[in-house]
Amino acid sequence: QSALTQPASVSGSPGQSITISCTGTSSDVGGYNYVSWYQQHPGKAPKLMIYEVSNRPSGVSNRFSGSKSGNTASLTISGLQAEDEADYYCSSYTSSSTLRVFGTGTKVTVL
Amino acid sequence: QVQLVQSGAEVKKPGASVKVSCKASGYTFTSYGISWVRQAPGQGLEWMGWISAYNGNTNYAQKLQGRVTMTTDTSTSTAYMELRSLRSDDTAVYYCARNYYDSSPFDYWGQGTLVTVSS
Repeated sequence: QSALTQPASVSGSPGQSITISCTGTSSDVGGYNYVSWYQQHPGKAPKLMIYEVSNRPSGVSNRFSGSKSGNTASLTISGLQAEDEADYYCSSYTSSSTLRVFGTGTKVTVL
Repeated sequence: QVQLVQSGAEVKKPGASVKVSCKASGYTFTSYGISWVRQAPGQGLEWMGWISAYNGNTNYAQKLQGRVTMTTDTSTSTAYMELRSLRSDDTAVYYCARNYYDSSPFDYWGQGTLVTVSS
């Protein structure tokens, strides 16, 4: 099972919106609505930001939103803030014998 | 509040085994499962497997089949992950994370345990 494909880096200025893509196949992202997104600051554990494609857990800012089209899921951060600078990973359930797969990760830089 | 507290860092020699613990609190342990996720230095996240704390059912990543065993002790609300025949590329931070089913999101994470494999 190969990792889902994410851009290595995305950057934006404070207040701008950015979008991170997560591309898989019909066996994972395209086949299930079990896509989630995680934020990870350096030296810290990941934090759940979006689950089941577009749902936000309680306490996560509504500046974070998720969507999916075909085999590609996306995370959009609007009103970019300095605290959003972190690594972001997508994850999907998969029909392979390895049931879960993560994306390659995207480093978000706030300029 | 939900907390997952993991055991401390370990240094092991190639070929040895390591067992990492993850003590849960703040919720009914047997109502959820626990996944294990690892992250090699400077690398991305890798899912290792999932165990149901309700009945002990497990699902392991194919590449780790035969080397990994996940267990739970419901009397102490603790999950364990044992990895055998350690190699240098097993050097990583190992996280436990709570999720309801093996398809569910990882909603709470432990603080991570660094396992270093070196001769």
